[in-house]
Amino acid sequence: AQSVAQPEDQVNVAEGNPLTVKCTYSVSGNPYLFWYVQYPNRGLQFLLKYITGDNLVKGSYGFEAEFNKSQTSFHLKKPSALVSDSALYFCAVRDRGSTLGRLYFGRGTQLTVWP
Amino acid sequence: DVKVTQSSRYLVKRTGEKVFLECVQDMDHENMFWYRQDPGLGLRLIYFSYDVKMKEKGDIPEGYSVSREKKERFSLILESASTNQTSMYLCASRLDSYNEQFFGPGTRLTVL
Repeated sequence: AQSVAQPEDQVNVAEGNPLTVKCTYSVSGNPYLFWYVQYPNRGLQFLLKYITGDNLVKGSYGFEAEFNKSQTSFHLKKPSALVSDSALYFCAVRDRGSTLGRLYFGRGTQLTVWP
Repeated sequence: DVKVTQSSRYLVKRTGEKVFLECVQDMDHENMFWYRQDPGLGLRLIYFSYDVKMKEKGDIPEGYSVSREKKERFSLILESASTNQTSMYLCASRLDSYNEQFFGPGTRLTVL
């Protein structure tokens, strides 16, 4: 079975501090991993993805994520948080061997950045 | 830029009504998806389509059906709306199974 866990429902951080939003996954084979962000009353926006290659992936708005196969994790990070980063963040996974390639989403983590 | 549009941002319907939610993408994407989003439950896949006239059930297909007669359009149908179908409905599309999904703005459906 494929699944994603986002262990923190909420993350609070002060502006200017580094932020981390955690994600762990479970797939039967090798994963494709994705991060999406949702601003209030909006659809989801793609941030970044890991397909293959370098374990550190850089994405939009200064975000990056590190694929760790041994820990089955794909944590989202940013060196210096902005108030405008406050949003709902979703991690998603698909099994690379899956023909149809549907995504499995985590339940989301609400990030609040305090000024 | 990829654009995924949904027919309504807000919709209010009555129990028992037949409800149509329309989704259109303008980038010739093969795959299209319907999710519902509820607080604390994240995104749950209702149906997806990997090609015209093709569909696959997701995790919660009960009470829903879909139609994809043209590549750019994917419709979600609530045959007889019920109050437990009150939710945010998100449509998404992607070029193929190796690429990321692009989401529409969502339709917030209230069933009274």
